[in-house]
Amino acid sequence: GEDVEQSLFLSVREGDSSVINCTYTDSSSTYLYWYKQEPGAGLQLLTYIFSNMDMKQDQRLTVLLNKKDKHLSLRIADTQTGDSAIYFCAESIQNQGGKLIFGQGTELSVKP
Amino acid sequence: KAGVTQTPRYLIKTRGQQVTLSCSPISGHRSVSWYQQTPGQGLQFLFEYFSETQRNKGNFPGRFSGRQFSNSRSEMNVSTLELGDSALYLCASSLQSAGANVLTFGAGSRLTVL
Repeated sequence: GEDVEQSLFLSVREGDSSVINCTYTDSSSTYLYWYKQEPGAGLQLLTYIFSNMDMKQDQRLTVLLNKKDKHLSLRIADTQTGDSAIYFCAESIQNQGGKLIFGQGTELSVKP
Repeated sequence: KAGVTQTPRYLIKTRGQQVTLSCSPISGHRSVSWYQQTPGQGLQFLFEYFSETQRNKGNFPGRFSGRQFSNSRSEMNVSTLELGDSALYLCASSLQSAGANVLTFGAGSRLTVL
């Protein structure tokens, strides 16, 4: 079945690294995504990774994918208070077009 | 380049009424997807339209329907509203080219059912 799991909360100090974890169940995932949602706003795409890749780096963001364990993580280096938001991982399934399966979201709180 | 525009942003309805939400995709995007976001169920896929045809559908009752026009704008309709339909309804558009299906989301329409 299709299921994506995330821990619900993460609290870090400003300047530290944040690591948000996600597990998924569907082995036919094609791409995996990280979205950010700030209060009162829609979802903003942060980055995505093809399911055959292990790692992708984009400025302060590093995505690691362990396909064998179906585990995805997002590392935010030098976390700032402006990074406080809810982070969603999502997977797209082969031949399912615009349908993404989202996790419950991880609320990241960055303390000064 | 304008983003995805959803209207209205906020609305209040009573049980039994019906509601229509509108979504204007990014220019050139032919695929529009709709999602429902609630605190209890999270983000759930409603349906996807591509070139005026529903291409994919989530597990929602028939009270939830949608359509897409020739200019790619989309509407979704919920009839006979229930309290549990209170949610943020998000629309997303994409190019649907080969490779990653990158969805760009609108700010959402927040529906409150009393």
